[in-house]
Amino acid sequence: GAGVSQTPSNKVTEKGKYVELRCDPISGHTALYWYRQSLGQGPEFLIYFQGTGAADDSGLPNDRFFAVRPEGSVSTLKIQRTERGDSAVYLCASSPGQGENSPLHFGNGTRLTVT
Amino acid sequence: QQQVKQSPQSLIVQKGGISIINCAYENTAFDYFPWYQQFPGKGPALLIAIRPDVSEKKEGRFTISFNKSAKQFSLHIMDSQPGDSATYFCAASLRISNFGNEKLTFGTGTRLTIIP
Repeated sequence: GAGVSQTPSNKVTEKGKYVELRCDPISGHTALYWYRQSLGQGPEFLIYFQGTGAADDSGLPNDRFFAVRPEGSVSTLKIQRTERGDSAVYLCASSPGQGENSPLHFGNGTRLTVT
Repeated sequence: QQQVKQSPQSLIVQKGGISIINCAYENTAFDYFPWYQQFPGKGPALLIAIRPDVSEKKEGRFTISFNKSAKQFSLHIMDSQPGDSATYFCAASLRISNFGNEKLTFGTGTRLTIIP
């Protein structure tokens, strides 16, 4: 079956530009997460959606970062006025959202490079 | 503030040997402790997980040992194989909703290399 799909797989942009990163979760998964992984580090939590609403956005680093999930399926992470420090792999994960400790299924990420 | 500390940063083990990776956490509210395996260019994949009311969990060649009083847990890979060469991340989870979903705090990772 299809896993979590993230597009594009790579994105190179210039400092100051706007970017959108897309995540297609596993069909039927109600919970969706965004994480950011810097080189040589573990993933860091950014935001969590349950259905269409952002249940926890405490990991977003500042107001340049925003994410939406308008229909409760596909999600888009939006970054305004990109900075070189935003360069990282952005990972999306989904889970069934039911029961205890629903395991997270990660996509392969979008590697963002800000030049 | 790093809430999950992982060691070693890198590890080289001979084929057939035992690989051991250690993690320590600070927040006693954590209630779920998974291990993830990540290959280059791929996302992390869940390997095995444990809850704090259990001291050990074994799945095939992979075992988690958990010491609640010491706030430590470890991954043991028995009979290590070249295909196990990957980066391993421990994580700790804090429940963030009544749906049972979890917010993971990851360690910094261990790059494991199994040599023939």
